[in-house]
Amino acid sequence: GAVVSQHPSRVICKSGTSVKIECRSLDFQATTMFWYRQFPKQSLMLMATSNEGSKATYEQGVEKDKFLINHASLTLSTLTVTSAHPEDSSFYICSARVPGTASYEQYFGPGTRLTVT
Amino acid sequence: AQTVTQSQPEMSVQEAETVTLSCTYDTSESNYYLFWYKQPPSRQMILVIRQEAYKQQNATENRFSVNFQKAAKSFSLKISDSQLGDTAMYFCASVIQGAQKLVFGQGTRLTINP
Repeated sequence: GAVVSQHPSRVICKSGTSVKIECRSLDFQATTMFWYRQFPKQSLMLMATSNEGSKATYEQGVEKDKFLINHASLTLSTLTVTSAHPEDSSFYICSARVPGTASYEQYFGPGTRLTVT
Repeated sequence: AQTVTQSQPEMSVQEAETVTLSCTYDTSESNYYLFWYKQPPSRQMILVIRQEAYKQQNATENRFSVNFQKAAKSFSLKISDSQLGDTAMYFCASVIQGAQKLVFGQGTRLTINP
C-alpha cells in the first residue's frame, strides 16, 4: 500500500522560533498532499491542500503567514510553523492521495507532535 | 456542503463481541465515496474500509463490513469478533467525486475490553 512518512515525529521548540515538518510519499508520487491539525480527543481539521508546483490552498481561518506550506517536489511537502506560540502546540498530520486512482482515499503520515514552550 | 455526523462519542464492548458504529452524512451530490478510518493510540490513521456510492453492494474487509443505506444517507461500520487491537478512534469520512477534501465526522472512541 501507499506509505507516507513524516519527520520529525515530535518536536519541542521555544516560543518565537520556527519549526519545519516534512511529509514524504515513499512509494508513489503525490501531486496533492493535505495538512491537518488534531487537538486531543477531536477530529482532524484540514488546514490546507498542497499542490506540487503551486501555492497551497488554505482553509478558512488558517493563517497563511503562520503556516507556510511548500510542495516543491512530487514526494515532499513541508509545513513551517513560523514564530510559534504555545497555542500552536498540537498534533499535525499530513496525507496524500495516490494519483490516477478513482477511489479518492487518502494515506496518512504518522503525525508530528509539536510542543511550543 | 458536505457534513458527516457520528452520534456515538464512545462505545465499549467485550472481546469477541460484534459492535456497530453509526455514521450519517449529508450531500446533494450523487457520486461520492465513503470511508472508515481507524486511529489507534499510536495516532496513525489507517484506512479500514471504503464504499463507492454508486455500488449497491456493501463493502466487506475481513471482520469489517458496512451497512450502506444511500436513501437514508447512513453508513455504519460493523466489527465482528472484536479484538483488543480494534481499540481506537474510528472516523467516518466522505469525499465527493471530483473534489479533493475529505470531510470527517467527530469520531467514535471504541474500547474493546478483555
